[in-house]
Amino acid sequence: GAVVSQHPSRVICKSGTSVKIECRSLDFQATTMFWYRQFPKQSLMLMATSNEGSKATYEQGVEKDKFLINHASLTLSTLTVTSAHPEDSSFYICSASSQNYNEQFFGPGTRLTVL
Amino acid sequence: ELKVEQNPLFLSMQEGKNYTIYCNYSTTSDRLYWYRQDPGKSLESLFVLLSNGAVKQEGRLMASLDTKARLSTLHITAAVHDLSATYFCAGPPNFGNEKLTFGTGTRLTIIP
Repeated sequence: GAVVSQHPSRVICKSGTSVKIECRSLDFQATTMFWYRQFPKQSLMLMATSNEGSKATYEQGVEKDKFLINHASLTLSTLTVTSAHPEDSSFYICSASSQNYNEQFFGPGTRLTVL
Repeated sequence: ELKVEQNPLFLSMQEGKNYTIYCNYSTTSDRLYWYRQDPGKSLESLFVLLSNGAVKQEGRLMASLDTKARLSTLHITAAVHDLSATYFCAGPPNFGNEKLTFGTGTRLTIIP
């Protein structure tokens, strides 16, 4: 299967700061990338869908001004958590897909801890 | 809005036994996916089921899809400890949609 990477794998930040998470498709061009959030012992919740070169589509209840998504190229999408607070602490997972595949390929995840 | 329900939520079973995890979804869908997640890790793709009646097997795991019943199953045969993990099913909210809605997950523990 196709490979998706995320960076960083873990980040700890102070409340009020911003954190950027990168998601890269390493061996294919991803027309669509997805960002999920997973709280402990819960399922994955889709936050937003991003297509290269266009604005992201956010799911209901997800603040677009707080979770900034940029999909500047076919291999890179970034999620910036602005003014992070302890309740934003979570496991953030990205995935990528393209028209050549019938599935999403998931990154290894980024564990965010906000102090 | 698609709802995906898994049953059971927790499953503790002895090594060597067989069991089935059920995934019911609320709207018509053309695809269903199964994933495995180990503690602290991301998702590992297990099965991609793309049509009604699809059945796929990998080792001790077998998945099937019945789109008419809106049901998918993940069957475990002769469980071993290495299969302990959380298993998720996921499906698109409607035909042709790339998004996925995940089930609640089934936490499987295999007891020696």
